[in-house]
Amino acid sequence: RKEVEQDPGPFNVPEGATVAFNCTYSNSASQSFFWYRQDCRKEPKLLMSVYSSGNEDGRFTAQLNRASQYISLLIRDSKLSDSATYLCVGLVSGGYNKLIFGAGTRLAVHP
Amino acid sequence: DTGVSQDPRHKITKRGQNVTFRCDPISEHNRLYWYRQTLGQGPEFLTYFQNEAQLEKSRLLSDRFSAERPKGSFSTLEIQRTEQGDSAMYLCASPPGRADTGELFFGEGSRLTVL
Repeated sequence: RKEVEQDPGPFNVPEGATVAFNCTYSNSASQSFFWYRQDCRKEPKLLMSVYSSGNEDGRFTAQLNRASQYISLLIRDSKLSDSATYLCVGLVSGGYNKLIFGAGTRLAVHP
Repeated sequence: DTGVSQDPRHKITKRGQNVTFRCDPISEHNRLYWYRQTLGQGPEFLTYFQNEAQLEKSRLLSDRFSAERPKGSFSTLEIQRTEQGDSAMYLCASPPGRADTGELFFGEGSRLTVL
């Protein structure tokens, strides 16, 4: 079983829609979590960190449930430019930080 | 531009040949990571350097793979006797700042195709 699991999608949504991605992790040693965004044939880039209390950045809301080992990302009012792969990432610390990536969820926003 | 540069961007080689990739991380940062990404998968951790010391090496790295960071600045990843299964994007990353927040800046990657 992979340490970080995501639904690969693709999620095909119209502009303006609200879409939610889920992620589960199995390594209880994971201390922090992130969502990274990866455009086609580009490198991954940090989208936002995920805090236990939940956090929001504009149209993006991230939630973490440590008891259920579950992470979510909600995108409101989807834009065409949101089309990308969203990678759920856990951080394991053992003297240094190591990021463990999920396989990613692909989002396609259409007009 | 993340400040992490990789070379070459693309490499096509025949099975059995050796290839070497270079990474120049954000200057003066002591931490450097190599990841590998195949189609439809997320990046998979390969190895980590702190300065010139290689502190962890994934079991994904067979003995055909070797990574170095001789002076604690740039790093190289060499694959000997390449196999078709080595075809992937090889990504180098370093943290953007000295504080260890967990964020990594990735280079644009070196895409390897083994024929």
